[in-house]
Amino acid sequence: DAGVTQSPTHLIKTRGQQVTLRCSPISGHKSVSWYQQVLGQGPQFIFQYYEKEERGRGNFPDRFSARQFPNYSSELNVNALLLGDSALYLCASSLDQPLAKNIQYFGAGTRLSVL
Amino acid sequence: GESVGLHLPTLSVQEGDNSIINCAYSNSASDYFIWYKQESGKGPQFIIDIRSNMDKRQGQRVTVLLNKTVKHLSLQIAATQPGDSAVYFCAENIGYGGATNKLIFGTGTLLAVQP
Repeated sequence: DAGVTQSPTHLIKTRGQQVTLRCSPISGHKSVSWYQQVLGQGPQFIFQYYEKEERGRGNFPDRFSARQFPNYSSELNVNALLLGDSALYLCASSLDQPLAKNIQYFGAGTRLSVL
Repeated sequence: GESVGLHLPTLSVQEGDNSIINCAYSNSASDYFIWYKQESGKGPQFIIDIRSNMDKRQGQRVTVLLNKTVKHLSLQIAATQPGDSAVYFCAENIGYGGATNKLIFGTGTLLAVQP
C-alpha cells in the first residue's frame, strides 16, 4: 500500500506570494495533520483535520489555512509568504479511532523556499 | 508551556555498540509518547510508542523506557548499525484518544554510527 504522499516535493516562491501544498493520506485513514519543520528543529503542529472539519490548530497566523476533501486528501495554503515560512512541510495521516492511540504516519514533505 | 526536549543533540557510537537517546518532557498530563526516526530528505518514521501505564516496551532491537516520576523517556537501540544513522525525535501525543491528535516534538538527536 502507498504511504502518505505529498506534492510537490520542492517549491520556490518569493515573498508575498501564495502557496498550496497537497497531501494524500494512507488508504483508510480519515485524519490528516500538517506540521512545519524548520531546519535543525522538530516538527511544529499546524492543523489537524478529520472528516473535513478542523479539529486542532497550532500557534500559526491566519495566513495559514487548510482544508480536507471528501476523499480525505488535504491542502495547506499559506498566503503572503514571508522568508520565515521557508521550511519542510510535513503531512501525517492516522486512523483516528476513538479511545485508541492513533499513530501518525508522515509523508516525505514539501520543501518550501521563500526568497 | 508545552515542550519536549532532548538532553544530547549529537550522539556518536561505534557500529555494534548499544545506543541510548534521552528525552525530557514537561507536560505531566501526557499519557502517550512516540519515538520517530528521520533520515535526510525523508519524513519522520514511526519506531516505537509507549503509553503512560507502562514503563518499558520492546520492539525489534529497540526498547523505550518511561520514567513518569522525572518525566523522562529513553530509546535504546541494540547493536547499532550504519542504517540507524539519523535524527531521532521523541514526541508527546496531546489529545490521545480525544478529539485532537497533536504531536509535540523535541529538537531531535543526531545519531552518527561509526563503522
